[in-house]
Amino acid sequence: ETGVTQTPRHLVMGMTNKKSLKCEQHLGHNAMYWYKQSAKKPLELMFVYNFKEQTENNSVPSRFSPECPNSSHLFLHLHTLQPEDSALYLCASSQEWVGTEAFFGQGTRLTVV
Amino acid sequence: AQKITQTQPGMFVQEKEAVTLDCTYDTSDQSYGLFWYKQPSSGEMIFLIYQGSYDEQNATEGRYSLNFQKARKSANLVISASQLGDSAMYFCAMRELTQGGSEKLVFGKGTKLTVNP
Repeated sequence: ETGVTQTPRHLVMGMTNKKSLKCEQHLGHNAMYWYKQSAKKPLELMFVYNFKEQTENNSVPSRFSPECPNSSHLFLHLHTLQPEDSALYLCASSQEWVGTEAFFGQGTRLTVV
Repeated sequence: AQKITQTQPGMFVQEKEAVTLDCTYDTSDQSYGLFWYKQPSSGEMIFLIYQGSYDEQNATEGRYSLNFQKARKSANLVISASQLGDSAMYFCAMRELTQGGSEKLVFGKGTKLTVNP
């Protein structure tokens, strides 16, 4: 248990569906991240939020829409996804500028059919 | 250009033996941090060990140690006395700044470690 919880753990959705991934941390961290992990590729940073403000969008398609209502919660809203978006989506949090590690959730394994 | 290079897609080790997982990095920053994470089949990324660029001593955490060679830009992970539960993917990562001024981790492609009984 790392203190970062992601739900759901598994998600199958059609290309016309709308779904949301949820991430929650109660570690008191000020930064939260979404990463995408596809087969045989390094983890790719998608978004960074610092004190609820988005500070990084790594050229992510608009069919992925993040939301950070407070420093403990992070969402990733999904709509009209493509099969190539199937991947493991990992949420992480950290205390920026302190030199500590990032803590990751267990991920949501997304399959787009 | 790849910033974190892990040249071993897969490694095998006998239980109770030591194994070294390679990692080289590329940065022009003077201050940076290097991390190793373990990812079992469940998917969660588990932090193992951290090395700061100004740390003079190699980091150690239990059975994990980091062989940090700054001039060669390498940060190899050494696992001593391997256990069956060590079978997993291992990722080397480096902390760097984003264009927006935040911190982020940049990961290598990983090494799949299999511990044989």
